[in-house]
Amino acid sequence: QSGLTQPPSVSGSPGQSVTISCTGTSSDVGGYNFVSWYQQHPGKAPKLMIFGVSQRPSGVPGRFSGSKSGNTASLTISGLQAEDEADYYCCSFAGSNTLFGGGTKVTVL
Amino acid sequence: QVQLVESGGGVVQPGRSLRLSCAASGFIFSNYALHWVRQAPGKGLEWVTVISFDGSIKYYADSVKGRFTISRDDSKNTLSLQMEGLRAEDTAVYYCARADRGGMTIEHWGQGTLVTVSS
Repeated sequence: QSGLTQPPSVSGSPGQSVTISCTGTSSDVGGYNFVSWYQQHPGKAPKLMIFGVSQRPSGVPGRFSGSKSGNTASLTISGLQAEDEADYYCCSFAGSNTLFGGGTKVTVL
Repeated sequence: QVQLVESGGGVVQPGRSLRLSCAASGFIFSNYALHWVRQAPGKGLEWVTVISFDGSIKYYADSVKGRFTISRDDSKNTLSLQMEGLRAEDTAVYYCARADRGGMTIEHWGQGTLVTVSS
């Protein structure tokens, strides 16, 4: 049950775009269209930002988008804002298992 | 609105047991799969276990298999996690979480309860 691989950190200036990758295998990310992304601010519970690879729940700003190619999913934040500074986790359904990435800290410079 | 409120956390000695509960409201409890996800201090999220909407299917992470048991009481809208043989590495905030209708996405999260395993 290995986790998904994310970069530890990414950063960008306000208004810029950042992309976080999430690499798995054909048994998880590549095998199902059930990749989700969560935002977590310090001391808070995670919040769903993207589900089904690229769908946004109501209330999530349009600057958050998701995609997938093969065994790698990606989260892009366009037009970075100060409140986007947080930890982001990818997650994939994997049959009898659910896998999380190690998390990526997004820093707004 | 969906509310998930965990309880039962605390400090426990290695090898001992602890039972966590999650009180749910704001949705039809019996329609949804439910998860436990934990987060060790300063670390990332780790999926622990899931129970299907009808309780017939339960899956566990290898790290807790044979030691933790998930259950649900639809009459009380309550999810539980019985933890046996606790280890220092089980120290974490434990989140109760609800899946979406399709069952494949963790949609809503509680605020978590801290479990500390220490002598």
